[in-house]
Amino acid sequence: AQSVAQPEDQVNVAEGNPLTVKCTYSVSGNPYLFWYVQYPNRGLQFLLKYITGDNLVKGSYGFEAEFNKSQTSFHLKKPSALVSDSALYFCAVRDYKLSFGAGTTVTVRA
Amino acid sequence: DVKVTQSSRYLVKRTGEKVFLECVQDMDHENMFWYRQDPGLGLRLIYFSYDVKMKEKGDIPEGYSVSREKKERFSLILESASTNQTSMYLCASSPREANYGYTFGSGTRLTVV
Repeated sequence: AQSVAQPEDQVNVAEGNPLTVKCTYSVSGNPYLFWYVQYPNRGLQFLLKYITGDNLVKGSYGFEAEFNKSQTSFHLKKPSALVSDSALYFCAVRDYKLSFGAGTTVTVRA
Repeated sequence: DVKVTQSSRYLVKRTGEKVFLECVQDMDHENMFWYRQDPGLGLRLIYFSYDVKMKEKGDIPEGYSVSREKKERFSLILESASTNQTSMYLCASSPREANYGYTFGSGTRLTVV
């Protein structure tokens, strides 16, 4: 069965510093991987996805993610975090349905 | 702008009531999904549907049912609401192909008292 794991419940960074949110996956076959962000009392918003091709995927709001097949990872990154990036982030993997990680709460302090 | 619309943002219902949560999408997507979200547990799939009148159980279907009479509408039904069904409910839709992600609604925060 497919699954993703987000090993950190919380990530705290200072504004302007690099932000990394970790995700590892387990699938049989080629993975379709996604990142979503959720702001308080809102639904999930799509950030980016990896289907095939270049291992570095660029997405919305300056985020990018690096697919690493040997480490079965798909970490989300942003070179310079903003206070407005504070939110809940979910990694997900899809075959016929999306399976989500438990989420990582990101807090960016001014 | 494409949308998934959930009929209520906040609901308060009494224990034992029958509760209907409605979801409508305007993207002609084949697939629709209902999740519940609880702190520390992430998103858990309740039911999903591949097509009109078709439904499949997700990971936590107990205490819920669904209805999909039209392609654009997917309803979640709590047959007899209980306090442990207090949660955030998220509806989503997607095309059939696996290389697409989901589009989510804004969520319905249900409180059962």
